[in-house]
Amino acid sequence: KQEVTQIPAALSVPEGENLVLNCSFTDSAIYNLQWFRQDPGKGLTSLLLIQSSQREQTSGRLNASLDKSSGRSTLYIAASQPGDSATYLCAVRNSGNTPLVFGKGTRLSVIA
Amino acid sequence: SQTIHQWPATLVQPVGSPLSLECTVEGTSNPNLYWYRQAAGRGLQLLFYSVGIGQISSEVPQNLSASRPQDRQFILSSKKLLLSDSGFYLCAWSWLGATNEKLFFGSGTQLSVL
Repeated sequence: KQEVTQIPAALSVPEGENLVLNCSFTDSAIYNLQWFRQDPGKGLTSLLLIQSSQREQTSGRLNASLDKSSGRSTLYIAASQPGDSATYLCAVRNSGNTPLVFGKGTRLSVIA
Repeated sequence: SQTIHQWPATLVQPVGSPLSLECTVEGTSNPNLYWYRQAAGRGLQLLFYSVGIGQISSEVPQNLSASRPQDRQFILSSKKLLLSDSGFYLCAWSWLGATNEKLFFGSGTQLSVL
């Protein structure tokens, strides 16, 4: 059974700092991996999707990497801003028709 | 463009009362549809998913049920709510069989069972 772990559970950084969020998964035979953002009391917004054949994806100040063999993904946020404060969730899919398995998320606070 | 609607945004219900949460998707056809629950400290838990009308897969045995009476409509129900049903319920959709299988979420329903 696939399990997804995100460490740390919470992170607080000063504005302008570059930071890395970590995600690990137990079954490396994944189909794809997604990173989501969730603001308090809101739904999730998809940030980046990495297919199993890819090593990384970039969108603006965000860069997500995938190392399938070690069961790890990282989300790199450059030059963090207070508006980046949110919970970031990682989720993996094991095949094209199976549902995503989510981690519990990392709650990020960027302090001005 | 595609949009997903979920209502109500908040709901307070007494124990033992029925529940009906509705989710609709616009701008696409034959989507995969999902119901998730997010409880404090427990992460996002998949409750049900559907790949077509009348096709429901249940991930977790529970006090809830789901139905898909129309292609773009997904309903979460309960006949008698329990205290443990409290949580943040999220509906989501994705394209079936597409290479870009991003999951798109609704805005959620905060359910408090008292």
